[in-house]
Amino acid sequence: AQSVAQPEDQVNVAEGNPLTVKCTYSVSGNPYLFWYVQYPNRGLQFLLKYITGDNLVKGSYGFEAEFNKSQTSFHLKKPSALVSDSALYFCAVRDNSGYALNFGKGTSLLVTP
Amino acid sequence: SAVISQKPSRDICQRGTSLTIQCQVDSQVTMMFWYRQQPGQSLTLIATANQGSEATYESGFVIDKFPISRPNLTFSTLTVSNMSPEDSSIYLCSVSPGGGNTIYFGEGSWLTVV
Repeated sequence: AQSVAQPEDQVNVAEGNPLTVKCTYSVSGNPYLFWYVQYPNRGLQFLLKYITGDNLVKGSYGFEAEFNKSQTSFHLKKPSALVSDSALYFCAVRDNSGYALNFGKGTSLLVTP
Repeated sequence: SAVISQKPSRDICQRGTSLTIQCQVDSQVTMMFWYRQQPGQSLTLIATANQGSEATYESGFVIDKFPISRPNLTFSTLTVSNMSPEDSSIYLCSVSPGGGNTIYFGEGSWLTVV
């Protein structure tokens, strides 16, 4: 079985400050990890993924994520938050036996001016 | 990546009716996925649709309620049958272009059942 946990329902950060959105996972075998963003009244947009290789993955809109195997985590980060980053963020995982993704419950990010 | 178009984008449906959602992709893809996002919830996989074979449904979803067609490599439909207010959700089509590792999503079809 595979699962993802996003422990925070909401993250609040001031514009210009660094942000972190947390994600931990459970999967048998090697994890394929993803971050998606959902803006209000929109579908999901792919941000970044970790399949293999460097633990620090860079993605769209200045976001990056760090894969930590020992802590089974894949936290999303950005050095300097923008108000326009305010959205719902989903972490997802799958193993290497199939393509279906298991999503976390989502974390609402609010960046205030 | 892939450009995924869904129709309708939004609809308000009467209880007991059925609605078919269309998903069109700008490239040929083997695997297409249908997800549901209930209000304030995360995404749940309904089924995987491969061209030339019957869709594979996840636990809790059945073909009679959510029939799926996959007539070619760029198109799929999902029907939500005999709708009830509990079916009010966003239904999202997604694909894995070129059999790659990334799954891309359409904008979703936002259904409200009254």
